[in-house]
Amino acid sequence: DTGVSQDPRHKITKRGQNVTFRCDPISEHNRLYWYRQTLGQGPEFLTYFQNEAQLEKSRLLSDRFSAERPKGSFSTLEIQRTEQGDSAMYLCASSLLPRVGTIDTSTDTQYFGPGTRLTVL
Amino acid sequence: KNEVEQSPQNLTAQEGEFITINCSYSVGISALHWLQQHPGGGIVSLFMLSSGKKKHGRLIATINIQEKHSSLHITASHPRDSAVYICAVRWGPGNQFYFGTGTSLTVIP
Repeated sequence: DTGVSQDPRHKITKRGQNVTFRCDPISEHNRLYWYRQTLGQGPEFLTYFQNEAQLEKSRLLSDRFSAERPKGSFSTLEIQRTEQGDSAMYLCASSLLPRVGTIDTSTDTQYFGPGTRLTVL
Repeated sequence: KNEVEQSPQNLTAQEGEFITINCSYSVGISALHWLQQHPGGGIVSLFMLSSGKKKHGRLIATINIQEKHSSLHITASHPRDSAVYICAVRWGPGNQFYFGTGTSLTVIP
């Protein structure tokens, strides 16, 4: 399977514990995005990377959240001291940003992973 | 206030009906996507639009940039079309998505 993969698919934890999720993007995709989706709502943007650089973080991302993409390939999202309000589906997506000057840089398609469903008890 | 509004929130149709889902947005965008999300969470991109109209099979998507509005149409709907359809606009330095809350479609045989 050469699509975006996420691990684990499901995580149940107790309030106050730390959790870490992993996303493996499509090989050679240079952009990687994290989104969060709560029940009955559309996904919300959290942060994105271009290669290993984290270029933007949403104000939704509190200090308890940290994301890394150390080698520009897979990414991890860590939540410290989890709260019940953190319960959600965490989605990862990747895309290939074309070289500037080739084609329109707004047209890169994002491919989504299956998500990690977090339940905080 | 959400930058992206969808209507209706829920839609039930008889098999064969023509379906329209609407999306309005309030910001200048680089592109608009229609996405399909099946139970279990998998998201699939259906269309990416920056102008005009696109057609793929029984699905048609249109966008009016001046009115900041897009529609997704499904002709001859089928029960397998039952899913949540999400409108997402792309703007900002990373072209990240800002999503609508989705339209839950159920097509009854």
